[in-house]
Amino acid sequence: EAQVTQNPRYLITVTGKKLTVTCSQNMNHEYMSWYRQDPGLGLRQIYYSMNVEVTDKGDVPEGYKVSRKEKRNFPLILESPSPNQTSLYFCASRPPGGQGPKGYGYTFGSGTRLTVV
Amino acid sequence: DQQVKQNSPSLSVQEGRISILNCDYTNSMFDYFLWYKKYPAEGPTFLISISSIKDKNEDGRFTVFLNKSAKHLSLHIVPSQPGDSAVYFCAVSFGNEKLTFGTGTRLTIIP
Repeated sequence: EAQVTQNPRYLITVTGKKLTVTCSQNMNHEYMSWYRQDPGLGLRQIYYSMNVEVTDKGDVPEGYKVSRKEKRNFPLILESPSPNQTSLYFCASRPPGGQGPKGYGYTFGSGTRLTVV
Repeated sequence: DQQVKQNSPSLSVQEGRISILNCDYTNSMFDYFLWYKKYPAEGPTFLISISSIKDKNEDGRFTVFLNKSAKHLSLHIVPSQPGDSAVYFCAVSFGNEKLTFGTGTRLTIIP
């Protein structure tokens, strides 16, 4: 089944303890992206990647790192988590060919709910 | 500074009637416009999209309209079905992978 898999689904951690949220896709997609969803703010893009070793900042990159060493994986790293990073995180991927009417919207994972205490 | 606004947090529509979801944006340089649907405990699902060179795109019960002069995007669902109850997000992009989402509208279809 074509899918984007995030792990873990739920995570409670303490301030300052480094963590990694993994993301893997089995569709051979070039493009991958991370979002966070917060009440009243919708989805905000953290980082995106257009291919292996090519990453760029989204709208809210502060406090996050990413890497794209393999096409299928795009982990999100929080080096020193803080309570304001408590959120619902989504990873997504899509093939090239343009967004919009060519039909290639992102496929999203099921989300990771992170709580930082 | 919100570049994409969905001014209605919620909308209730009778089953079988038309649902109209609205989205306003500020930057006339955006060139792709998309709608996503989200159920609780799931990731968003891509629904339909339109480029700035068109003003309408249809896919079954879903039609997206783009009014560039008004910087306004709308999604029409006809007829509305109970399974359409979800949160709907509009999203815009400008030639690259930077997607900006609206805050969402919760649609409830009343049987």
